[in-house]
Amino acid sequence: DIQMTQSPSSLSASVGDRITITCRASQNIDFYLNWFQQKPGKAPKLLIYATSSLQSGVPSRFSGSGSGTEFTLTISSLQPEDFAVYYCQQSSSGVLSFGGGTKVEIK
Amino acid sequence: EVQLVESGGGLVQPGGSLKVSCAASGFTFSDSAMHWVRQASGKGLEWLGRIRSTANNYATTYAASVKGRFTISRDDSKNTVYLQMNSLRTEDTAVYYCCRQGGNYAYWGQGTLVTVSS
Repeated sequence: DIQMTQSPSSLSASVGDRITITCRASQNIDFYLNWFQQKPGKAPKLLIYATSSLQSGVPSRFSGSGSGTEFTLTISSLQPEDFAVYYCQQSSSGVLSFGGGTKVEIK
Repeated sequence: EVQLVESGGGLVQPGGSLKVSCAASGFTFSDSAMHWVRQASGKGLEWLGRIRSTANNYATTYAASVKGRFTISRDDSKNTVYLQMNSLRTEDTAVYYCCRQGGNYAYWGQGTLVTVSS
């Protein structure tokens, strides 16, 4: 099975900051990498699919990049509504797996 | 509008069984592979398994952690996917979500809480 490792597990940042979250796959997953945002008590929300495609309705301050085994999610200017937990997910086969999550907190 | 609505969660004793459901609407359910994912309180997302469509013979795949205890099935006439959970353990306590593979996994239900406790 493909293991997904996210870093950092948490970070503190201020409104307006640029932040980057990294996700590493234990083997090549091409571009089959999605990013989700989750807020307390809610289902995960898709932000980015296929490494870099922005899901409809998601603000353009979110972007994704990478390929193969290393991927990043960048928020260019953190907004108050962006404080949440972020997960990467690989979908290169029918067996999905998620990263451990990154909690983005207010500094 | 795509909707997924889970139901059937509740309190069950260790060693017991429970079947949760996910009713779908707003898309061609019979063409869609469906997944189950769970989340224990304060923890991350854990993929449990998938059932493919009739075109793929309803093939199922499971995570190692639940293989042999959990079974995914579907009834396309009811637009519903099921998760049968047997030999439940306290560590199976979680919110259980279904999600649709089509649309890049954008569609999730609201989740149903399963609590395994004596």
